[in-house]
Amino acid sequence: QKEVEQDPGPLSVPEGAIVSLNCTYSNSAFQYFMWYRQYSRKGPELLMYTYSSGNKEDGRFTAQVDKSSKYISLFIRDSQPSDSATYLCAMSPPPGNQFYFGTGTSLTVIP
Amino acid sequence: KAGVTQTPRYLIKTRGQQVTLSCSPISGHRSVSWYQQTPGQGLQFLFEYFSETQRNKGNFPGRFSGRQFSNSRSEMNVSTLELGDSALYLCASSLGAGGTRTDTQYFGPGTRLTVL
Repeated sequence: QKEVEQDPGPLSVPEGAIVSLNCTYSNSAFQYFMWYRQYSRKGPELLMYTYSSGNKEDGRFTAQVDKSSKYISLFIRDSQPSDSATYLCAMSPPPGNQFYFGTGTSLTVIP
Repeated sequence: KAGVTQTPRYLIKTRGQQVTLSCSPISGHRSVSWYQQTPGQGLQFLFEYFSETQRNKGNFPGRFSGRQFSNSRSEMNVSTLELGDSALYLCASSLGAGGTRTDTQYFGPGTRLTVL
């Protein structure tokens, strides 16, 4: 069993829709949770960073962490065609920089 | 501020050969991590270097090795290439404080390695 599971999609939504992306994990030691966005032929770029449980909002993006269920989510409101990319969840136990990534969900927002 | 750079961007090799990939981190960053990205497995952690020392290591065979220089630039070497080594190899740099909430990884564009 992989430490981080993520539905690969692909996910296709109309412009303006609310998008929900999810990951589950098995390691209860994970404390840091991140979402990255990766455009084609580019490296991943950090979108959201959350420590432990709770919600974090940044513009149209909201990250949620439920440690009791070992489940994290990323919500995108008012989705735009420019949001079309692959979204990767990542997590890490303390301390150090060893991150575990999901396989990524491919999202297409149709104008 | 310049981002993470990786060279070369594309590489084609044959089985049995060896390859060296290079990564220049963001100025001031002391930690460099390497990842292998494939469609089926996603991003898998190879190793992390901090101040010229390997600090963390993933679950890859010894054919995969790396090093870091005093200027924080890092190289990754793969010997005796196999077809399954075809992947996008990503380098990420961070300040390297380790265990702090604000240590963020910044990725380079990657090196696309094809093994024939």
